[in-house]
Amino acid sequence: GQNIDQPTEMTATEGAIVQINCTYQTSGFNGLFWYQQHAGEAPTFLSYNVLDGLEEKGRFSSFLSRSKGYSYLLLKELQMKDSASYLCAVLDSNYQLIWGAGTKLIIKP
Amino acid sequence: NAGVTQTPKFRVLKTGQSMTLLCAQDMNHEYMYWYRQDPGMGLRLIHYSVGEGTTAKGEVPDGYNVSRLKKQNFLLGLESAAPSQTSVYFCASSSGTGDHQPQHFGDGTRLSIL
Repeated sequence: GQNIDQPTEMTATEGAIVQINCTYQTSGFNGLFWYQQHAGEAPTFLSYNVLDGLEEKGRFSSFLSRSKGYSYLLLKELQMKDSASYLCAVLDSNYQLIWGAGTKLIIKP
Repeated sequence: NAGVTQTPKFRVLKTGQSMTLLCAQDMNHEYMYWYRQDPGMGLRLIHYSVGEGTTAKGEVPDGYNVSRLKKQNFLLGLESAAPSQTSVYFCASSSGTGDHQPQHFGDGTRLSIL
């Protein structure tokens, strides 16, 4: 079966750095997406990785290792507004997105 | 700059009732999707469409039907609502499924079946 694993919840301090991990086992791989979802709102696109390595976009970076079936989202200089759920999703061999359950990130002052 | 618009935002139904959820996008996207989101689970694909007049089943299609009569609209129908269909429903659209073509989501419909 297809499976995506993320920690259920993480807590971090304002101004700090946090890394949210995602491991996947899917039938094929055509890219990995990270989305942000604030409580009661729609998911919004953060990043896309299809090749191994690090993609940096402002305070957010995303890393991919296809051989390990592993990705992480790195958030720097945390702000209170970063409190949200972070969803990892893999595009499988049929070009359908398989979603993780999400990681709820709590930022404390 | 509307993007993806879902109506209604909230609805309460009784078991056995039927209803239609509406999704409209103004980005000229070919692909549209209906998901449900339940606590502790990832988004699950109900049905999707790769273009006007086409529909296909996703991971959890039972109890739902869809139609894509116009490119900009994707309708999700519940024929006979059941309590297990209580969920938050999201519609999404994308220009494709390949390289760096993210899905854009509506604000969701919160549906309760009593």
